[in-house]
Amino acid sequence: EAGVVQSPRYKIIEKKQPVAFWCNPISGHNTLYWYLQNLGQGPELLIRYENEEAVDDSQLPKDRFSAERLKGVDSTLKIQPAELGDSAVYLCASSFSGGDHNEQFFGPGTRLTVL
Amino acid sequence: GDSVTQMEGPVTLSEEAFLTINCTYTATGYPSLFWYVQYPGEGLQLLLKATKADDKGSNKGFEATYRKETTSFHLEKGSVQVSDSAVYFCALLSGGSYIPTFGRGTSLIVHP
Repeated sequence: EAGVVQSPRYKIIEKKQPVAFWCNPISGHNTLYWYLQNLGQGPELLIRYENEEAVDDSQLPKDRFSAERLKGVDSTLKIQPAELGDSAVYLCASSFSGGDHNEQFFGPGTRLTVL
Repeated sequence: GDSVTQMEGPVTLSEEAFLTINCTYTATGYPSLFWYVQYPGEGLQLLLKATKADDKGSNKGFEATYRKETTSFHLEKGSVQVSDSAVYFCALLSGGSYIPTFGRGTSLIVHP
C-alpha cells in the first residue's frame, strides 16, 4: 500500500514568488494535516481537514498561506508571496478518524528554500 | 497547555551501546504518548506508543514505559545499530484531540 505522497520533494524559490505543494494521502484516510517543521524542531500544525472541510486552521497565516482539499482526497498548500522565513520542511500527514488513536502517517515532506 | 521536553542532542554512541533518550511531558488528564522516528530525508514514522499509565510500548528493539508518577516516557534500546541513526521525537495526544504535541527532537548518531 502506498504511503502519503508529497511533491515536490525540494523547492528553491526567490522571495516574493508563489509556491505550491501537493499531497496525496493514504487511500481511505479522511483526515489530512499540513505541518510546518523548522530545523531542529518538531512539526507544528498549519491546518487539518476532515474530508473536504478545514476544521482547524487557526495556525495558518492566512495573509499569505492558503490550502484546499476540493474532493476530500488530494490537497494543495500554497504560499503567496513567499518570505525568507518560510524556509522549512512542509509535512503532510493523513489518518482515519475513528481508527487507533487517530494514528497519523506522514509523507516525506517538501523542503522549501526561499532565497 | 500541553508540552513535551526531550533531552537535547545529538546523542552519539558506538554500535551495540545502550540508548536512553529522556522525555517528560506536561498535560491535563491522561494523554497517549508516542515516539516517532525521522530518518534523513523522510517523514516521521510512528515507532511505538502507550495509551495509559504503566503501559510499555515496544518496536524494533526500542521500548518506553508510560510513567504517570514522573510524567515521563523515556526511550531505550539495549544495543543500537548504525541504522538507528535518525531524529527521535516524543509526542503526546490529549484525550479528544487530533493534534499531537511534539518535542523538539533528539538526533541520534551511531558510529560503527
